[in-house]
Amino acid sequence: DAGVIQSPRHEVTEMGQEVTLRCKPISGHDYLFWYRQTMMRGLELLIYFNNNVPIDDSGMPEDRFSAKMPNASFSTLKIQPSEPRDSAVYFCASSPGGNTIYFGEGSWLTVV
Amino acid sequence: GENVEQHPSTLSVQEGDSAVIKCTYSDSASNYFPWYKQELGKRPQLIIDIRSNVGEKKDQRIAVTLNKTAKHFSLHITETQPEDSAVYFCAARRGNTPLVFGKGTRLSVIA
Repeated sequence: DAGVIQSPRHEVTEMGQEVTLRCKPISGHDYLFWYRQTMMRGLELLIYFNNNVPIDDSGMPEDRFSAKMPNASFSTLKIQPSEPRDSAVYFCASSPGGNTIYFGEGSWLTVV
Repeated sequence: GENVEQHPSTLSVQEGDSAVIKCTYSDSASNYFPWYKQELGKRPQLIIDIRSNVGEKKDQRIAVTLNKTAKHFSLHITETQPEDSAVYFCAARRGNTPLVFGKGTRLSVIA
């Protein structure tokens, strides 16, 4: 299995632009999570899905952030408009419903 | 909700010495406690985990202990090697709720 696949791996964008991060979970995993990692706040859960349904989005910082999971093999996290404080590493992770979660390689976002 | 505190934030040890990282959690119903290792520029990867019905678990040079009464758990690395240098995260969860992570410990093993 290729593991959790994220794209893009690196993105540099200008303030105000729309950013779309993509994730393909491990096949057969029922849970998908989006985390944001910064030096100051560590790993923060933004939102998670179970069987493609958003369960808890209380970690989404603002209305500028949105996430979708149209099918079991694809999810997006969108930031519109982006701001410099959104610069972080965004990790997608998936889980088969047991306790272990598996992270993707991350998307390194820089907003200038 | 769950809150996980992790100490220390940075730790330097000489190669061959032991390293200990400690975490406390707030939700007494939490029942799963994994530890992740994140090397520079890489993803966090699970290195060991423990469930609430077990007090200690070992895997070669790493071990985790859990004290449910005190609501704390620790990671122990013995005979540290330079390749152990990384950021280590503890986490906790209750049932099917998502993992809540500590802020991480940056471990440096000095050769």
